Amino acid sequence: DVKVTQSSRYLVKRTGEKVFLECVQDMDHENMFWYRQDPGLGLRLIYFSYDVKMKEKGDIPEGYSVSREKKERFSLILESASTNQTSMYLCASSYLGELRRGTATDTQYFGPGTRLTVL
Amino acid sequence: SQQGEEDPQALSIQEGENATMNCSYKTSINNLQWYRQNSGRGLVHLILIRSNEREKHSGRLRVTLDTSKKSSSLLITASRAADTASYFCATDPTGANSKLTFGKGITLSVRP
Repeated sequence: DVKVTQSSRYLVKRTGEKVFLECVQDMDHENMFWYRQDPGLGLRLIYFSYDVKMKEKGDIPEGYSVSREKKERFSLILESASTNQTSMYLCASSYLGELRRGTATDTQYFGPGTRLTVL
Repeated sequence: SQQGEEDPQALSIQEGENATMNCSYKTSINNLQWYRQNSGRGLVHLILIRSNEREKHSGRLRVTLDTSKKSSSLLITASRAADTASYFCATDPTGANSKLTFGKGITLSVRP
């Protein structure tokens, strides 16, 4: 059974703290994604990675960075958390499939989400 | 960038009724996908329809795609209380370096 796990379901941090959100998938997927989900705004892509050590900016990368040192693990880093980063964070993964490298539009498998509150 | 837009934003029906949700998009696509999200959880993939397909079925789900109108619909037949969730369409636009783009979602409530 396909599995994407995220390190925390709920997280509370203070403004200015460095925050790490971890995501692990056990499906040997090439692509991994980080989204944030806010009421009325839907899912917005922060970053994605199509290979180890490779990353591409999504629609809203400002204030975030990512790390992919191993194929199964993709980390989202908030260098200095701010209150406007309070949100639900969703990790996903997918096969590269028949698509070209850098293109990531196959079926995505999501983790359960991390609800982050920044005080 | 928002590509798919779902309609209606919210839908409330009685158990046993059918639920129809629509998605419109702006640019040419390779495929369109529907996902479900239960409250406070991640999204779950329901069905994928390719641009050269017009209709697809999976259990109680029926998806149609009209590329001339740039629209898709998701029909859930004989709805159950457990179908209560948010439903998202995601489009795969043609072109280099494309990524799935999700709509804002439809909230479906099925009353027992």
